Amino acid sequence: DTEVTQTPKHLVMGMTNKKSLKCEQHMGHRAMYWYKQKAKKPPELMFVYSYEKLSINESVPSRFSPECPNSSLLNLHLHALQPEDSALYLCASSQVTKLSGTVDSGNTIYFGEGSWLTVV
Amino acid sequence: GEDVEQSLFLSVREGDSSVINCTYTDSSSTYLYWYKQEPGAGLQLLTYIFSNMDMKQDQRLTVLLNKKDKHLSLRIADTQTGDSAIYFCAESIGNYGQNFVFGPGTRLSVLP
Repeated sequence: DTEVTQTPKHLVMGMTNKKSLKCEQHMGHRAMYWYKQKAKKPPELMFVYSYEKLSINESVPSRFSPECPNSSLLNLHLHALQPEDSALYLCASSQVTKLSGTVDSGNTIYFGEGSWLTVV
Repeated sequence: GEDVEQSLFLSVREGDSSVINCTYTDSSSTYLYWYKQEPGAGLQLLTYIFSNMDMKQDQRLTVLLNKKDKHLSLRIADTQTGDSAIYFCAESIGNYGQNFVFGPGTRLSVLP
């Protein structure tokens, strides 16, 4: 099973709403990621969790609040978003391994299909 | 700092080979990746290469890495219409390789 599952696939929310995006993986990966992707642009890293602890926060506004309740789940809580936050939000996961100089194991990152968010 | 560059567009005829190029700047990158994104979909890992390799072949895909020039390429043999998509080059950096940096993506159009 090399699947990262994201729900919902589509979400429309108002600027005063509170909603959450959910992500799940059962590959035993201990690193999970949130990326934001605007149209015709590459994904931009938002957050990284490693062993359920936030390890990277790329200066994301506080209206985005990540949560990693266990090693298989990752949430992104949304509150008071702006229309410019409309984008595809991608969840991903990978192993956490120190990059080896000898083993071609690859710190491969697996992506979900994404959640399309529209803020109105 | 890290930066990954790609040409933005490529058009080929069905049955021809496609070559998508990428340059990166972080010499500490240990793994380099190619992802495919079809319209309305997430990213699909196509292949990756370890930095001590020059070439990796996987069916119709061939990855070439020139570490000296920090140049990576993806060759798709016998390109099909189903190969039309955006192809992202990415490098993983950092001690645990957790920070993935993506290029801008190359939009491949396959003409019949």
